[in-house]
Amino acid sequence: NAGVMQNPRHLVRRRGQEARLRCSPMKGHSHVYWYRQLPEEGLKFMVYLQKENIIDESGMPKERFSAEFPKEGPSILRIQQVVRGDSAAYFCASQTSGGSTDTQYFGPGTRLTVL
Amino acid sequence: AQKITQTQPGMFVQEKEAVTLDCTYDTSDQSYGLFWYKQPSSGEMIFLIYQGSYDEQNATEGRYSLNFQKARKSANLVISASQLGDSAMYFCAMREGGNTGNQFYFGTGTSLTVIP
Repeated sequence: NAGVMQNPRHLVRRRGQEARLRCSPMKGHSHVYWYRQLPEEGLKFMVYLQKENIIDESGMPKERFSAEFPKEGPSILRIQQVVRGDSAAYFCASQTSGGSTDTQYFGPGTRLTVL
Repeated sequence: AQKITQTQPGMFVQEKEAVTLDCTYDTSDQSYGLFWYKQPSSGEMIFLIYQGSYDEQNATEGRYSLNFQKARKSANLVISASQLGDSAMYFCAMREGGNTGNQFYFGTGTSLTVIP
């Protein structure tokens, strides 16, 4: 799991600002997932992407949140006009393909604090 | 209904003893995968062990083993010979095999403390 990179590790934003979280999957992995972890809770699925495609965004809030995984470069999770309730740890995970037996390897997470 | 249920918010175990962390799951799929992850205080998620629904034998990885009881829909994690470094949060997760986007469903976690 050391191969999944996320930056920044910690991000502080004031209410109303934008937060941009980056994820570089493990080498050879073309499937990326974003999860959110609120304090004292498990991870909750947000969105599943392949290169240039959003496959499943059923866990993503309808407003202010967006995600992309361009042909080149990292996957980006963007939160516009952040509110205090957005404070959480955001984890990215990658896997080689979409198979149900594939293990997802997680990055170290980005801890977002909204003041 | 919850897809993954972990009923033990916190557990204590003496160093060098074995401990079982409970996990039950709910799915109507025939094909699915069960996973355990460890989250130490530093926050990263570390993959521990995987069990496929069609696997006939319980998965083992070093000191970790998965007690898979399909009929009861349980996938308990057993850690043998506990070490101080095992103190962490432990999450059980499931992926269903159908066209559901392959997302993981996570339980709420069990906090394990190893006592010297």
